[in-house]
Amino acid sequence: EAQVTQNPRYLITVTGKKLTVTCSQNMNHEYMSWYRQDPGLGLRQIYYSMNVEVTDKGDVPEGYKVSRKEKRNFPLILESPSPNQTSLYFCASSLRDPAFNTEAFFGQGTRLTVV
Amino acid sequence: GQSLEQPSEVTAVEGAIVQINCTYQTSGFYGLSWYQQHDGGAPTFLSYNALDGLEETGRFSSFLSRSDSYGYLLLQELQMKDSASYFCAVRNQAGTALIFGKGTTLSVSS
Repeated sequence: EAQVTQNPRYLITVTGKKLTVTCSQNMNHEYMSWYRQDPGLGLRQIYYSMNVEVTDKGDVPEGYKVSRKEKRNFPLILESPSPNQTSLYFCASSLRDPAFNTEAFFGQGTRLTVV
Repeated sequence: GQSLEQPSEVTAVEGAIVQINCTYQTSGFYGLSWYQQHDGGAPTFLSYNALDGLEETGRFSSFLSRSDSYGYLLLQELQMKDSASYFCAVRNQAGTALIFGKGTTLSVSS
């Protein structure tokens, strides 16, 4: 089954404790991205990757890091989480970059709470 | 800059037809996409319009007018399961991201 898998689904952590949210896709997609979703603000892109070892900032990258060592995996790293990073996070992948008409597939989301 | 405007809420009854509008401002327009999201779950792709006109996929149709920078999603024969949030989206100018509207929450009642 074609899918994007995120882990964990739910996470409560304390301020400053490094964490990683994993994302994996089994569709051999080149393009992957991370979004955060907050009430009243919709989905905002954090980082994206066009292919292995190619990553770049989205609209709200502060406080986040990513890596793309393999095509299938695109982890999101919070080196020192803060309460304003409490949000619902989505990983997405598509065959090619969004300049083309390619459907984006989203993971099930990770609900992160930083206290 | 780029922006998308859509109503925040729409209500309707089962069996009815509802239209969710989206107006956008962007340079380098590629096309307008629509996504559905149930209760904070994964957004799922519904449709994409690159050219003017109506695209029909079962009970859902999507329309685009490039000259008016406007599109809409038309949902027919509404069912309770259609209660969800609906997002319109465009590619950003660099072609590196989807820019989403803030979403329209559709509530279908019996």
